[in-house]
Amino acid sequence: SQTIHQWPATLVQPVGSPLSLECTVEGTSNPNLYWYRQAAGRGLQLLFYSVGIGQISSEVPQNLSASRPQDRQFILSSKKLLLSDSGFYLCAWRHLRDRVSYGYTFGSGTRLTVV
Amino acid sequence: RKEVEQDPGPFNVPEGATVAFNCTYSNSASQSFFWYRQDCRKEPKLLMSVYSSGNEDGRFTAQLNRASQYISLLIRDSKLSDSATYLCVVNVGTGANNLFFGTGTRLTVIP
Repeated sequence: SQTIHQWPATLVQPVGSPLSLECTVEGTSNPNLYWYRQAAGRGLQLLFYSVGIGQISSEVPQNLSASRPQDRQFILSSKKLLLSDSGFYLCAWRHLRDRVSYGYTFGSGTRLTVV
Repeated sequence: RKEVEQDPGPFNVPEGATVAFNCTYSNSASQSFFWYRQDCRKEPKLLMSVYSSGNEDGRFTAQLNRASQYISLLIRDSKLSDSATYLCVVNVGTGANNLFFGTGTRLTVIP
């Protein structure tokens, strides 16, 4: 069965510090992978998605970047965090069969607080 | 206009009540639809998928009205454990980035 792992679960970082969040998927190959952010009491905001190794699409101009060094690994990074980067970061992979979407499975999320 | 719109609520209902949420979508080419449940400080989890006119799973029924471009989620005999935020998700087309999320409807079931 497919599983998605995301870590760390909680992170408190000072303004100006770097960030690296990692997401890995098991039990599938060539998945579409996504990074979302959810601010407190708000909806999900798509940040990046990737359809393959080295392929990154950015949805929102921001202080963040993403990389996909391996087929089942997706990394979210920042060189210098801002207070506005605080939020709940979710990695997701997408079920596709015969080009029909069967929705997303989300990782357990990382709650980032920038202080 | 947003791709997906939901009433944010909150809906506060007593245990045992029946509650319904509606979700409207703007793109008539939308192909598939999902309801996700998100508990406080947790990740969203798939509750139901809707590919045709509707789907039923125990106390939960999802219905699709393509003519009016809305989907609904009906919860019968509400339990305390149903308290959560319910997200409506719409799939448009076949690209990699074609799932659109509503902002969610918050439900609190009261003893």
